[in-house]
Amino acid sequence: DAEITQSPRHKITETGRQVTLACHQTWNHNNMFWYRQDLGHGLRLIHYSYGVHDTNKGEVSDGYSVSRSNTEDLPLTLESAASSQTSVYFCASSESGQGMETQYFGPGTRLLVL
Amino acid sequence: SQKIEQNSEALNIQEGKTATLTCNYTNYSPAYLQWYRQDPGRGPVFLLLIRENEKEKRKERLKVTFDTTLKQSLFHITASQPADSATYLCALDQTGGFKTIFGAGTRLFVKA
Repeated sequence: DAEITQSPRHKITETGRQVTLACHQTWNHNNMFWYRQDLGHGLRLIHYSYGVHDTNKGEVSDGYSVSRSNTEDLPLTLESAASSQTSVYFCASSESGQGMETQYFGPGTRLLVL
Repeated sequence: SQKIEQNSEALNIQEGKTATLTCNYTNYSPAYLQWYRQDPGRGPVFLLLIRENEKEKRKERLKVTFDTTLKQSLFHITASQPADSATYLCALDQTGGFKTIFGAGTRLFVKA
């Protein structure tokens, strides 16, 4: 069965360190998204990609970067982790097309920045 | 700016009753609206999509309405069960692109 996975599921890091969160999908979807979820804010879009070598900034992209070298993977990098980046991170994917496609979410990565 | 509001207070209902959750939006006119379910420690799971020209959509015990005049969607779960306890997220397409914006969700508790 097709799926979307994230790793690690839990991560503790220190302020200033570089951290990379992995996202891998086997749906063969062109669209991939990274969100963070914090209490009271819901899901906020960090970065998104509509295909290989395409990346775009979302509403809360400062301090984060992504790269898309193949269809299956969209790793999220925190260049220099800050305590404000403590959150739960979700990766999602959807098919290409016109309109609003259903998004398929990964299980999430819980990140704690000390 | 575009804004989605869902009731931040948890909704507590008795098993067998109908649960009704509300999603209000302001400052734009989305063409689509979706509802997702999220269980603790898991990612959201898609439930239903409704288009602006559809007033109502049903799937088993679920019903969604979309009132573009009131800028509101209602999500109903009939004959609710304890297994329906979860957080329900409303999501709308964002003007000018294929991105989605999500509400903060409403927590539903169904008591046996």
